[in-house]
Amino acid sequence: QKEVEQDPGPLSVPEGAIVSLNCTYSNSAFQYFMWYRQYSRKGPELLMYTYSSGNKEDGRFTAQVDKSSKYISLFIRDSQPSDSATYLCAMKGTSGSRLTFGEGTQLTVNP
Amino acid sequence: GAGVSQSPSNKVTEKGKDVELRCDPISGHTALYWYRQSLGQGLEFLIYFQGNSAPDKSGLPSDRFSAERTGGSVSTLTIQRTQQEDSAVYLCASSSRLAGGETQYFGPGTRLLVL
Repeated sequence: QKEVEQDPGPLSVPEGAIVSLNCTYSNSAFQYFMWYRQYSRKGPELLMYTYSSGNKEDGRFTAQVDKSSKYISLFIRDSQPSDSATYLCAMKGTSGSRLTFGEGTQLTVNP
Repeated sequence: GAGVSQSPSNKVTEKGKDVELRCDPISGHTALYWYRQSLGQGLEFLIYFQGNSAPDKSGLPSDRFSAERTGGSVSTLTIQRTQQEDSAVYLCASSSRLAGGETQYFGPGTRLLVL
């Protein structure tokens, strides 16, 4: 069983829709949670970064962490065609720096 | 400023040949990471360098894989006697405690195809 599970999709939504992306994990030592966006043939870029449980909002993006359920989410409001990309969740514990990634969810926002 | 750069961007090789992949991290970043991204597998950690400390090699899949970081900057990932299952995108990332610590900045990757 993978430490981090993420539905690979693909997910296709109309422009303006609210998108919900999710990951579950099994390692209770994970404390730092990240969402990366990866455009085709590019490297991942950091979108959101949260520590422990709670919500964090940045513009149209909201990240939620529920450590009791070992479940994290990324919400995208008013989705745009430019949001079309693969979204990867990543997490790490307090010791060390290696990140454990989900498989990534491929999102297409249709105009 | 310049981001993480990797070369070559694409590499096609024959099974059994050795390949070298290069990573130039962001100037001043003390930490450097190599990951492998295969279809349906997400990003898999390979190796981590931090300053002058001994590297964390725990993610290297076999002894055919090795990496060096010279002068605390440029890194080379070497795959000896390549196999078809080595075909993947190899990503390099760097980070700095001064730049926010946990944020890893990724390069565009090297796409390796082993025939």
